[in-house]
Amino acid sequence: GAVVSQHPSRVICKSGTSVKIECRSLDFQATTMFWYRQFPKQSLMLMATSNEGSKATYEQGVEKDKFLINHASLTLSTLTVTSAHPEDSSFYICSARDTGYSGNTIYFGEGSWLTVV
Amino acid sequence: GESVGLHLPTLSVQEGDNSIINCAYSNSASDYFIWYKQESGKGPQFIIDIRSNMDKRQGQRVTVLLNKTVKHLSLQIAATQPGDSAVYFCAEMVQGAQKLVFGQGTRLTINP
Repeated sequence: GAVVSQHPSRVICKSGTSVKIECRSLDFQATTMFWYRQFPKQSLMLMATSNEGSKATYEQGVEKDKFLINHASLTLSTLTVTSAHPEDSSFYICSARDTGYSGNTIYFGEGSWLTVV
Repeated sequence: GESVGLHLPTLSVQEGDNSIINCAYSNSASDYFIWYKQESGKGPQFIIDIRSNMDKRQGQRVTVLLNKTVKHLSLQIAATQPGDSAVYFCAEMVQGAQKLVFGQGTRLTINP
């Protein structure tokens, strides 16, 4: 079946540095990918919608200059957390929409744990 | 951002019993709903979906009920097993917006 892969699964970075998380659709093309953030014991919060070849659409309250999203190909979207701070530590999850033969199905990655120290 | 949740409510059931997890969705324009299961430290796993032109859909051991009048969704799990222990989220897709918004979530705990 369709698989969405995230890398890295866990990352620790120093405060003030930037970190990039990749989201790949492995066996389908995804014109649209979504980035979520999840704090412990809370729900998934949609951060932005990533569209291949165009600018991402950010949800209200999400800083676009802090969370840079690039969707340069039909199988890859990246989220870069710039100038990371401890409060950015969270579980980041991407999902991808398969608009191919299987219809309007959304698949989720396994998530990436970010710890900023 | 959307759907910032409070601490998760918990449902405890005996192994072998049926579980019913409820969800109130927010947007009357939503026309597609999905239930996800999330185990600790992992991404959401698709369970079952339903479109707004239906009020019931059954899968293997799971049933989703949709009541559009009161904007309520439920997930019924038959003969609950230890492997069903997880957090369950409902998600709604807003018509035309093409984005999936998650509800609060419920932690399901199975007692032996």
